[in-house]
Amino acid sequence: GQQLNQSPQSMFIQEGEDVSMNCTSSSIFNTWLWYKQDPGEGPVLLIALYKAGELTSNGRLTAQFGITRKDSFLNISASIPSDVGIYFCAGRGAGGFKTIFGAGTRLFVKA
Amino acid sequence: DAGITQSPRHKVTETGTPVTLRCHQTENHRYMYWYRQDPGHGLRLIHYSYGVKDTDKGEVSDGYSVSRSKTEDFLLTLESATSSQTSVYFCAISEVLVNGVNQPQHFGDGTRLSIL
Repeated sequence: GQQLNQSPQSMFIQEGEDVSMNCTSSSIFNTWLWYKQDPGEGPVLLIALYKAGELTSNGRLTAQFGITRKDSFLNISASIPSDVGIYFCAGRGAGGFKTIFGAGTRLFVKA
Repeated sequence: DAGITQSPRHKVTETGTPVTLRCHQTENHRYMYWYRQDPGHGLRLIHYSYGVKDTDKGEVSDGYSVSRSKTEDFLLTLESATSSQTSVYFCAISEVLVNGVNQPQHFGDGTRLSIL
């Protein structure tokens, strides 16, 4: 079945640093999504991307839909302690509602 | 949390017992989903529903059944729980716009299920 490869698996960074994580797939997706999950809670949608090449920002977060439609990245600028959590990418194919999730990137921020 | 309530939030039970998890939404969304989350696997789809009494299997449906008798409620049942079904279970909902675009899913806060 479809799979998403999300990297890195975990990151340990200093407060104030920029962060970059990405997802790749062997399949083409029509939608890329990025979620964040805090401990004990469900994933929360950060950014949704609907067009190849699209670059979208949400505060300090920026995500891009790759031109090949097989990849996406998420950048976080000037990280702060509350950025700690698990970040998931997710992809959806044409006409679909089924969403495939990556395994997540666990982010640790040291103050 | 997008009007999604999962119950119970935590449950410990024994192998072989039946377990039912409930997802209740107040958003009147058409689609509802059940996922399980395990370390290293992200979120994997168990079953989903595209309307009242309309359900279908996801990628890890073995050992699970679902029912949706009302728009707002989606039940996940483990008929005879096994230790491999110890996991965190998430319900999600989504809606389809008039132009046919399916909106991103929104998630509940999860049910932590331990089967001993």
